[in-house]
Parts: sequence; structure tokens; C-alpha cells
Amino acid sequence: AQSVTQPDIHITVSEGASLELRCNYSYGATPYLFWYVQSPGQGLQLLLKYFSGDTLVQGIKGFEAEFKRSQSSFNLRKPSVHWSDAAEYFCAVGLNTNAGKSTFGDGTTLTVKP
Amino acid sequence: EAQVTQNPRYLITVTGKKLTVTCSQNMNHEYMSWYRQDPGLGLRQIYYSMNVEVTDKGDVPEGYKVSRKEKRNFPLILESPSPNQTSLYFCASSLYGQGNGELFFGEGSRLTVL
Repeated sequence: AQSVTQPDIHITVSEGASLELRCNYSYGATPYLFWYVQSPGQGLQLLLKYFSGDTLVQGIKGFEAEFKRSQSSFNLRKPSVHWSDAAEYFCAVGLNTNAGKSTFGDGTTLTVKP
Repeated sequence: EAQVTQNPRYLITVTGKKLTVTCSQNMNHEYMSWYRQDPGLGLRQIYYSMNVEVTDKGDVPEGYKVSRKEKRNFPLILESPSPNQTSLYFCASSLYGQGNGELFFGEGSRLTVL
């Protein structure tokens, strides 16, 4: 069965600093990969997704992620964090063999210091 | 406005009292899914539906039922709720499924079972 690991439960960065959130997956083939963001009291919103092609994908709000097959990783990055980026971030895997199943990581909570 | 609507948003109930959480989407999506979110556990898939009258179990289906009689609606039924079903529940929809695209989430339903 597929799995998703987000090694960092909580990350704190200063406003204006760069950010990298880690995501590792376990799956026998190349999955579809997603990053979602959840602001307090809200549902999840898609930041970006990877299906195939260019391994560096751009998303909304200035985020990007890079798919590295050799490392089974899909890390999320942002060059300069804004206070409004404080939220919980989820990496997720979808399967090309079963479009119905979805697996989410446990999430990483981002705190932004002024 | 494209949206996924869940009701109720907040509910406190007692053990054994049947309840239904409704979910409706106005985007003509074929795929709908239910998740529960618990601290430190991320989102876990309960049930999903690829289309009308087609439902399947996710990772944690025990104690839940679903039905998909109409394309827009996907209610989650707790026949005999227990305290371990206290959680934050999210409904999501997608055009064809997590394996094919973005999930759109409702704002969540916080359920407390006493």
C-alpha cells in the first residue's frame, strides 16, 4: 500500500526566510503528487500537483515543489515566507491505478515569526 | 460559486444516536470522498464514490456508511456513533478522482460524541 511521510511535524521560520517542507512517499510506481494547505478553521486548498513531465512544478502563492524519483520525494519550497503562509501543509498521493484512493501525510504546521 | 457544502459544521451528540452529515457539491463532479482529521494523524479516507451508485471503502470505513443516490450529494451516516468517532470530518469532490486531479474540500464538520 502507498504511504506518505512528512518528517517535520512543526517548522518555525522567520518572515522573509526561505522554506522547505519535506515529503517522502512509498509506492511501486510514480504516483500523482499533491501539496495542500489548510488555514485555521478552513478546508484544504490545493497548492500544486505533479502528474508527469517537468519535475519542478509551480503552484499558487509563490510555492514550488520538486519531484525526485531517486529519493521518492516531493519537497515544497518557497523563497521568501510571508506571515500569511502560517498554516498546516499536507502532502498527498494519488494512484494512477486507482483514482479513488488518496493518501495524505500527517501534515506539517508552519509558524512564521515576525 | 463553486463549492462543497457540509452540514452541520458543528455537532455534539451522544453515543448511539444516529446522525447524518450531509455533503453537496455544485461542480458536477463525478468523484466524492469523506475524510476524518485527527491530531497527528493527518487526513484518513473513510469512503469514496467514483460516480452515482458506486461507493468503496477507504482506509477507515468501520462505523460509517455512505450513499450516492445523486451526483451532487454524498452523505456520511453514523448509525451508532461512539466516542472514538469524535473528529473533524471533511468532504471533498473532484472531477474524476484524486488520481486524476485536484480535490475541492468543504469547510469541515466538527463532531463530538459524548
